[in-house]
Amino acid sequence: GAGVSQTPSNKVTEKGKYVELRCDPISGHTALYWYRQSLGQGPEFLIYFQGTGAADDSGLPNDRFFAVRPEGSVSTLKIQRTERGDSAVYLCASSSDRNSPLHFGNGTRLTVT
Amino acid sequence: KNQVEQSPQSLIILEGKNCTLQCNYTVSPFSNLRWYKQDTGRGPVSLTIMTFSENTKSNGRYTATLDADTKQSSLHITASQLSDSASYICVVSGPGFQKLVFGTGTRLLVSP
Repeated sequence: GAGVSQTPSNKVTEKGKYVELRCDPISGHTALYWYRQSLGQGPEFLIYFQGTGAADDSGLPNDRFFAVRPEGSVSTLKIQRTERGDSAVYLCASSSDRNSPLHFGNGTRLTVT
Repeated sequence: KNQVEQSPQSLIILEGKNCTLQCNYTVSPFSNLRWYKQDTGRGPVSLTIMTFSENTKSNGRYTATLDADTKQSSLHITASQLSDSASYICVVSGPGFQKLVFGTGTRLLVSP
């Protein structure tokens, strides 16, 4: 069906608030990735899911960041006690296997004021 | 440290001209190298994927080359079009880990 869908496309929140970012991958893609991209930079790895489990979460910057994928499809990236430095575009990507192209969503632009 | 360096940082060319973008990497061991195109406000879109045994791969007007010995890759764009204006990102991965290493990209502007 459609490509990777991310919602919301834009999110403005106040410092200290909690936010959830949603990713709906391509149907049947078992691998799901979250990246963070700052202006003028390449995407920075956050976490990788294979199925329901987080196979690699070493890119999460601190314990305010958490992601889940309970049924092996939709994933939610959760950020607690947001800080201004969290402002960035959060990209989600999925693929059918590790050697296939990543299919990216258009990202959620998070602005923490 | 695993790194991917791209040059130039930005480039302006006239419509119809060719251009070549460079990517040098230090990721080791190496599994594959990918080129992505990212339009403003959009997610990256895959152009090519090459393993260490592949020297060249084409996708329409885009041709990527790879020299695994010198750890260099290039992306050649032929007969550029206005729609080629975008950032082009080189991404390198090693076997056994999923943390693809992204370059910071080359911003290409094709002007009429």
